[in-house]
Amino acid sequence: AQRVTQPEKLLSVFKGAPVELKCNYSYSGSPELFWYVQYSRQRLQLLLRHISRESIKGFTADLNKGETSFHLKKPFAQEEDSAMYYCALRNSGNTPLVFGKGTRLSVIA
Amino acid sequence: ETGVTQSPTHLIKTRGQQVTLRCSSQSGHNTVSWYQQALGQGPQFIFQYYREEENGRGNFPPRFSGLQFPNYSSELNVNALELDDSALYLCASSPQTGRYGYTFGSGTRLTVV
Repeated sequence: AQRVTQPEKLLSVFKGAPVELKCNYSYSGSPELFWYVQYSRQRLQLLLRHISRESIKGFTADLNKGETSFHLKKPFAQEEDSAMYYCALRNSGNTPLVFGKGTRLSVIA
Repeated sequence: ETGVTQSPTHLIKTRGQQVTLRCSSQSGHNTVSWYQQALGQGPQFIFQYYREEENGRGNFPPRFSGLQFPNYSSELNVNALELDDSALYLCASSPQTGRYGYTFGSGTRLTVV
């Protein structure tokens, strides 16, 4: 069965400190992995896709198939990074997303 | 280019009633998915429509049903509402290929009392 695990419900870091939001998945195959972010009073929006290997707002995420992980990282946290972050996976193509329960990131000034 | 719009934004219903939620997909998107997000949880997939046909369903009972119209807008219907149906209902649309992921609406907050 497909499953996404985000072990931390809440992560608090100081401004300027490195951030790592953990995501582990179980899936028999080669899934597509995503990170979605939800800022306060805003809709869920796509942050990163593993296939694009891009850096958005200073965040990066590397897919580690051996460890079945897709951790989200940023070297220096900013206050505006405070939000709810969801890791998600899907089979290739136009198939539905399976979400983790989310991690709330709080960046303290 | 318009995004995904959902209506209404908030709704209060009584247990046993029926409810219809509406979603207009983003321009150029022909696939619509519905998700239920309970408090403190990630979104859970309900079902997906592609060109007016249901082409995927999550672990939800038959009292959750839907429609997609020729303009690719969609409805989610829930019959015989239960207290546990209280949640944020999200609609997401994507182009056929799904290559760029899904665009989400702001959701409808349903409260069942």
